Amino acid sequence: AQKVTQAQTEISVVEKEDVTLDCVYETRDTTYYLFWYKQPPSGELVFLIRRNSFDEQNEISGRYSWNFQKSTSSFNFTITASQVVDSAVYFCALSENSPRGDTGRRALTFGSGTRLQVQP
Amino acid sequence: AAGVIQSPRHLIKEKRETATLKCYPIPRHDTVYWYQQGPGQDPQFLISFYEKMQSDKGSIPDRFSAQQFSDYHSELNMSSLELGDSALYFCASSLGGNIQYFGAGTRLSVL
Repeated sequence: AQKVTQAQTEISVVEKEDVTLDCVYETRDTTYYLFWYKQPPSGELVFLIRRNSFDEQNEISGRYSWNFQKSTSSFNFTITASQVVDSAVYFCALSENSPRGDTGRRALTFGSGTRLQVQP
Repeated sequence: AAGVIQSPRHLIKEKRETATLKCYPIPRHDTVYWYQQGPGQDPQFLISFYEKMQSDKGSIPDRFSAQQFSDYHSELNMSSLELGDSALYFCASSLGGNIQYFGAGTRLSVL
């Protein structure tokens, strides 16, 4: 069965610090997708990134970067020069392959989330 | 760009009452998902529909049912509500197994 672990329950940093959110996953499938979503205090879930299991290239988008390592089953998320607006709960999620082979249509399994507080 | 629309945004019900939550997916998206997020919890998958047919089923109680209509909107029907059903209910949609985009959620309070 699939599982996503976010060991950091809560992280508090001061503005402009860099912060890394850890995500470790378990799956028996060779084909799967990994995601990060942001949930600000307003409650909505905002998509940040999707990475498929065959693409281990790291990705950078502005102040955000992601490090995917299949060897350690990790998909970590780094925010550079954090800002107060980054304060939110961040969820890592996994979507496995379906019997039909349409991986993307499977439900997401979320980790327990990491609450990030960025102090001014 | 159009997003996933959920209604109502807030709902207050008494125990043993019935509730209906609605979801309007992003236009041309063919798959709808329902998730339940309890206080301080991560979202848990309930059920999904692909092209109006049930696709996957998660931890959805027997008291809940859902369907997707010809216009692709979906409804989650919840009966015999219990205090433990108080949660944030999310609907998400995707196209062809692509990224799931979430609505703003319906916050259900059962008193």
